[in-house]
Amino acid sequence: DVKVTQSSRYLVKRTGEKVFLECVQDMDHENMFWYRQDPGLGLRLIYFSYDVKMKEKGDIPEGYSVSREKKERFSLILESASTNQTSMYLCASSFKLGQETQYFGPGTRLLVL
Amino acid sequence: EDKVVQSPLSLVVHEGDTVTLNCSYEVTNFRSLLWYKQEKKAPTFLFMLTSSGIEKKSGRLSSILDKKELFSILNITATQTGDSAIYLCAVETRGGADGLTFGKGTHLIIQP
Repeated sequence: DVKVTQSSRYLVKRTGEKVFLECVQDMDHENMFWYRQDPGLGLRLIYFSYDVKMKEKGDIPEGYSVSREKKERFSLILESASTNQTSMYLCASSFKLGQETQYFGPGTRLLVL
Repeated sequence: EDKVVQSPLSLVVHEGDTVTLNCSYEVTNFRSLLWYKQEKKAPTFLFMLTSSGIEKKSGRLSSILDKKELFSILNITATQTGDSAIYLCAVETRGGADGLTFGKGTHLIIQP
């Protein structure tokens, strides 16, 4: 069974702090995604990666960066956290882009004070 | 552990048919159930359901939630080839176990 894990379930950070969210998948999937989920807005794609060291901006990349040094690991970085980045962050992975279901991690609820 | 199960995993029908997709769940502290349509990269939000028995409709798509039996269905009438996609169900929980659990999706293929 596919497993996507995220490093933390809950995080509380202060404005201006650098924040790292890590995601690991164990199925050798090529594609990995970072989303944020906010009430009434559904899932919004921040960044995705289709191979090691490759990345593409999603719909709302501003204020975020990503890193994919190894196939199984995809990190989301908030260089200087702001209160409007308080949200639920979800990581997902898939084998083929668009043709196969994405497998989601449990989510990280980030609160920026 | 929270669980969301979708069925069928895949479905092939002809244009014009009506389809029903199922989503059952076992979670602690249910808050809402969400349906998404995944075609390319990011899933597109379809519906959010919080109350039992109230049907939500959007064009040819509709969905309803049964909180007693712990399931939801997504109906698509008069299907078109553009409805071909993976349909994801997710359940949001509240409280100490705040989270979002996704099912594995139903891969729907509409043949012309």
